[in-house]
Amino acid sequence: GQQLNQSPQSMFIQEGEDVSMNCTSSSIFNTWLWYKQDPGEGPVLLIALYKAGELTSNGRLTAQFGITRKDSFLNISASIPSDVGIYFCAGNYGGSQGNLIFGKGTKLSVKP
Amino acid sequence: EAQVTQNPRYLITVTGKKLTVTCSQNMNHEYMSWYRQDPGLGLRQIYYSMNVEVTDKGDVPEGYKVSRKEKRNFPLILESPSPNQTSLYFCASSSRQGSSYNSPLHFGNGTRLTVT
Repeated sequence: GQQLNQSPQSMFIQEGEDVSMNCTSSSIFNTWLWYKQDPGEGPVLLIALYKAGELTSNGRLTAQFGITRKDSFLNISASIPSDVGIYFCAGNYGGSQGNLIFGKGTKLSVKP
Repeated sequence: EAQVTQNPRYLITVTGKKLTVTCSQNMNHEYMSWYRQDPGLGLRQIYYSMNVEVTDKGDVPEGYKVSRKEKRNFPLILESPSPNQTSLYFCASSSRQGSSYNSPLHFGNGTRLTVT
């Protein structure tokens, strides 16, 4: 079936550093979504992207929908301790939410 | 408050003892889905439902059943649980926009199931 390759799997960074993670697919996607999961909770939507080339910000977070429609990245600027968690990308390739698939996640650790 | 509510949050059971994990949403969403999360494997879809009485298999449906008799509820049923179904389970819902289901998913807080 369809697969998303998300990298890196984990990151250990110092507070204040910038972070970058990305997802790639072998198929063209119509939607890219980025979620964050805090320990013990369900994923929460950070940014939704619906158009190739779209660049969207949410506070210190910026995400882009790749021009080829096969990739997306998420950047976090000036990381803080509460950025700790698992970040998931998700893509929808069929117009039906039933075809939303998730990357395996990037686990972010931030040292104060 | 708009939310997806799962119960129970934690469950320990024994092999073969039927169990049901409930999921309810108060946002009038058409679409609901179940995922399981395992270390190194991310979120994998078990079953989903486009609307009442409409359900379909996801990527890992074996050993699970679902039903969608009402719009707000989407229970996950394990008829005969086995240890390989020990996992963290998430229910999610989203609205339908026109002919597509492109709106983002809202997740519950998860159910941690242990089958011994």
